[in-house]
Amino acid sequence: RKEVEQDPGPFNVPEGATVAFNCTYSNSASQSFFWYRQDCRKEPKLLMSVYSSGNEDGRFTAQLNRASQYISLLIRDSKLSDSATYLCVVNDGYQKVTFGIGTKLQVIP
Amino acid sequence: DAMVIQNPRYQVTQFGKPVTLSCSQTLNHNVMYWYQQKSSQAPKLLFHYYDKDFNNEADTPDNFQSRRPNTSFCFLDIRSPGLGDAAMYLCATSREVQPQHFGDGTRLSIL
Repeated sequence: RKEVEQDPGPFNVPEGATVAFNCTYSNSASQSFFWYRQDCRKEPKLLMSVYSSGNEDGRFTAQLNRASQYISLLIRDSKLSDSATYLCVVNDGYQKVTFGIGTKLQVIP
Repeated sequence: DAMVIQNPRYQVTQFGKPVTLSCSQTLNHNVMYWYQQKSSQAPKLLFHYYDKDFNNEADTPDNFQSRRPNTSFCFLDIRSPGLGDAAMYLCATSREVQPQHFGDGTRLSIL
């Protein structure tokens, strides 16, 4: 089983749609969780950290389910500019940072 | 602005010719990481420094070495690059388990 698993997609959604991504992780002792966004041929950029209580930043909502060992990202009212690859990142607390393969999102006009 | 800077942005080298990639940071973060990312793949952690302590991933080839002469700088040395080493190399920094900040990356090509 991979340490961090994501559906690579692509997810093709119309503008204005709501889309959700999930990510599962295998290490139950993992400490911190993040979603990064990566545009083609660019570096990953932090989108948001993920907290146990769930957190929201504008159109983006992230949630963590420790019991089931998954994190999720919800994007509401998708924009063309949201088209990118979304990487799930898990830190085990000892600086062992593992990236998921990323989920590719394409927002269509 | 505080940031992570990688040089050069693009590096072309010959098969077997040693190459060094550099990374500097003004964030004063104690942890620095080097990742290799190939097309359509996740970034793969090569190694990281926690302060001065070097931590090598088990599957990182011996061909890859790193140096961190001080808090601000970290280098990736590829002793004898092979065609399979062509990739984007990403440097990142963090304070403990806080989110990582990435440099723009160095795209390495092997002739």
